[in-house]
Amino acid sequence: SQQGEEDPQALSIQEGENATMNCSYKTSINNLQWYRQNSGRGLVHLILIRSNEREKHSGRLRVTLDTSKKSSSLLITASRAADTASYFCATVRNQAGTALIFGKGTTLSVSS
Amino acid sequence: EAQVTQNPRYLITVTGKKLTVTCSQNMNHEYMSWYRQDPGLGLRQIYYSMNVEVTDKGDVPEGYKVSRKEKRNFPLILESPSPNQTSLYFCASRHLAGGQETQYFGPGTRLLVL
Repeated sequence: SQQGEEDPQALSIQEGENATMNCSYKTSINNLQWYRQNSGRGLVHLILIRSNEREKHSGRLRVTLDTSKKSSSLLITASRAADTASYFCATVRNQAGTALIFGKGTTLSVSS
Repeated sequence: EAQVTQNPRYLITVTGKKLTVTCSQNMNHEYMSWYRQDPGLGLRQIYYSMNVEVTDKGDVPEGYKVSRKEKRNFPLILESPSPNQTSLYFCASRHLAGGQETQYFGPGTRLLVL
C-alpha cells in the first residue's frame, strides 16, 4: 500500500529556477526520507527529517515537515541540469523502523 | 568503497525457468531488502531480512523466495518466473541500530520474462 504520494508527478523548469516537490502520507511516522533516482539507476538517499523536526537543510536542498498535515516538501534551489531525476519520499512503516514505503515519485526535468 | 552490488544487471528469461538475482553488501548491515519498481506503481517491497536466517514478507512476496545464510548476501529467487514479474529490481541494506535509517540501494536488475 502506498504511504507517500508525491506532487506533482512531473515538473519541468529552467536551470537556475527553484523546484518544489510535495509529499503527503497517511499514517504517523518516525521519520521521512527523500531519495533521488537517475533514470534506470538505484536510489540515492538525499536527506532524512525526523518527526520532531520542522525543517532541514543540506546544500541546495531544503526539506520541511508538517506532521499536523502529514506532508513534506523538498525544495531544490538554483537547479542544474544534473538535478534532472526522479525524486521519491519514503516513510518508515513498521515498529522496527525498517520497511520503507515509497511514493510514486516526481520526475524533475531541468533544461539548460 | 561502501556499496550494494547486484548481479546480473540485465536478464532476459522465459516463463518457468528458475533464476536467482544476487545481492551483496560490504557494509556489515543487518537489514537487507528487495524492492521491485514498476511504472505507475513506484517501489514496492518484496521481502526483507533483519539478520542472518531472519526473513519476512513485504508487500508483494508472491512468486519470490529469499535466503539469508550470510550477513552480506541476500539472493532473490524466482522459482518459476512469469511475465508479470518483468520489472526493475533493487536490493537495499542498512544498519538497524544507531539511528542510521538511510538505506543504500544497489544499481538495479532489469528483468524481462518472456
